[in-house]
Amino acid sequence: RKEVEQDPGPFNVPEGATVAFNCTYSNSASQSFFWYRQDCRKEPKLLMSVYSSGNEDGRFTAQLNRASQYISLLIRDSKLSDSATYLCVVNDRSGGSNYKLTFGKGTLLTVNP
Amino acid sequence: NAGVMQNPRHLVRRRGQEARLRCSPMKGHSHVYWYRQLPEEGLKFMVYLQKENIIDESGMPKERFSAEFPKEGPSILRIQQVVRGDSAAYFCASSPSGAGTEAFFGQGTRLTVV
Repeated sequence: RKEVEQDPGPFNVPEGATVAFNCTYSNSASQSFFWYRQDCRKEPKLLMSVYSSGNEDGRFTAQLNRASQYISLLIRDSKLSDSATYLCVVNDRSGGSNYKLTFGKGTLLTVNP
Repeated sequence: NAGVMQNPRHLVRRRGQEARLRCSPMKGHSHVYWYRQLPEEGLKFMVYLQKENIIDESGMPKERFSAEFPKEGPSILRIQQVVRGDSAAYFCASSPSGAGTEAFFGQGTRLTVV
């Protein structure tokens, strides 16, 4: 089983649509969870952290279910500029350190006019 | 703050040549991480360095790959005798402490082996 698994995608949606991304992780001891965004041929950039209580940042809502080892990202009222690859990222604490990020393969989103 | 600077942005090497990828961390950051992104794959951790020390190289292939972060100058990822399978985007990230969650990524070096 892969450490971090995401919807394979791609997702093609019209502007204004709501789109949801799902992710599961295999290490139950994982500590921190994030969604990154990666534009074509660019570096990944932190979109938002994910907390057990759920968190929202404008049109973006992230949820974490530790019992199911499941993470989600919801984008409401999608814009053309939301087109990118969305990466589910997990940070494990091992050996007293938490430096290593484990990335999913990403899900490509294309928002169409 | 110039951010994490990687160069070159694009590098073409013939099979058997050496590739040197450079990474200058953000000002004030003494922790550097290298990740590799193969085509159609997620980023994979390669190595974690702190000034003059390799902390964790568990993600780096045992042969042909090496990394350093000298006291002065950028971090270098070196790939000797490159093969086609080394073609990938190599991303460097830096952080002020050893917390990957505080890391900022550079724009990457795209290595193409022909």
